[in-house]
Amino acid sequence: EPEVTQTPSHQVTQMGQEVILRCVPISNHLYFYWYRQILGQKVEFLVSFYNNEISEKSEIFDDQFSVERPDGSNFTLKIRSTKLEDSAMYFCASAWTGTNTEAFFGQGTRLTVV
Amino acid sequence: KQEVTQIPAALSVPEGENLVLNCSFTDSAIYNLQWFRQDPGKGLTSLLLIQSSQREQTSGRLNASLDKSSGRSTLYIAASQPGDSATYLCALPNQAGTALIFGKGTTLSVSS
Repeated sequence: EPEVTQTPSHQVTQMGQEVILRCVPISNHLYFYWYRQILGQKVEFLVSFYNNEISEKSEIFDDQFSVERPDGSNFTLKIRSTKLEDSAMYFCASAWTGTNTEAFFGQGTRLTVV
Repeated sequence: KQEVTQIPAALSVPEGENLVLNCSFTDSAIYNLQWFRQDPGKGLTSLLLIQSSQREQTSGRLNASLDKSSGRSTLYIAASQPGDSATYLCALPNQAGTALIFGKGTTLSVSS
């Protein structure tokens, strides 16, 4: 069964460093998303991406964040200068036709900023 | 702005019990509602998607219902098993249909 794949599963980084989280969405999906979940809190929307551009972003997704689809298969989230409060589980998701259809999530990348 | 609430926050039951998890939402103009399962430290596994035109959706021992007028959905788990122990999340699209809004989840523990 097709699945969303995320790498790495766990990343530890020092405050102020740049990190790139990687995702391979399901191959025929057109809509891509990043969400995050701080420990013990709700899953929160960060950004949605369609047709090679951001379609919506939340207040969390400030200038420190960026997304890219560098080729036909990968979808990345970059955090330019990490802060302690960026420590969270980051989930990538994809869907065929936006949130009117079922969204499939990856296993997540646990980011720890020290 | 859509808000999603799940009650109870935690539930413990013995194996074999049937149980109901609740999800309520404030804006009834929804496209669909999706239930997910999350194991500790893991990703989100989609369980069921109910379209706004549907009232029920079933998958194995799981049955999800949707009542838009009252702003509620329930996830019914029949004959619970220890392997059902996990956190169950419900999520709905925002008004623009561009992002999912999640509840905080119900953490289920099924003892053998």
